[in-house]
Amino acid sequence: DIQMTQSPPSLSASLGDKVTITCQTSQNINKYIAWYQQKPGKAPRLLIGFTSRLVSGIPSRFSGSGSGRDYSFSISNVESEDIASYYCLQYDNSPWTFGGGTKLELK
Amino acid sequence: EVQLVESGGGLVQPGRSLKLSCAASGFTFSNYYMAWVRQAPKKGLEWVATISTSGSRTYYPDSVKGRFTISRDNAKSSLYLQMNSLKSEDTATYYCARHDHTMGLDYWGQGVMVTVSS
Repeated sequence: DIQMTQSPPSLSASLGDKVTITCQTSQNINKYIAWYQQKPGKAPRLLIGFTSRLVSGIPSRFSGSGSGRDYSFSISNVESEDIASYYCLQYDNSPWTFGGGTKLELK
Repeated sequence: EVQLVESGGGLVQPGRSLKLSCAASGFTFSNYYMAWVRQAPKKGLEWVATISTSGSRTYYPDSVKGRFTISRDNAKSSLYLQMNSLKSEDTATYYCARHDHTMGLDYWGQGVMVTVSS
């Protein structure tokens, strides 16, 4: 099984900051990683798929990059509506696995 | 507009069974793999099952293999999750999701709560 190590588990940012979340996998996942935003009581929402493909309608301040075993997700110019939890998902191999999540809070 | 609507959740005793349903609309259901993902209270996301377009192939993590069965009815645009021998650790919100091979799980339902308790 592919292990996903997502960090940090929590993040405190000021409005306008740039923040970065990383996911490291235990083996090459060929860029099959997606990033999700989840707000309390809501379903996860796909922001980015296949490492860096932004979903239609998602603001360009969200971005993703990486290859092999190392991937990152960034939010530039954090806005108040970005306060949420974020998860990575590898879907290269079954069992598909999520990272442990990162809770983004306002400083 | 893609819509996924889960139903069938509730309170069930340990060891009993429950079947979840997911009604899909707004896309050609038979063209997509589908999946179930769960989230225990205050915890992270856990993938539970995936099914191929025809239903001939299914995938599960070890945590539910042999107890849960994913199935689909393409004529009804519906996805199902039969959960047997339920345990307290199966308590979670269960989400139905569409699986796009390039983008991952791209659309999600609103979720349905399953509570396993005596």
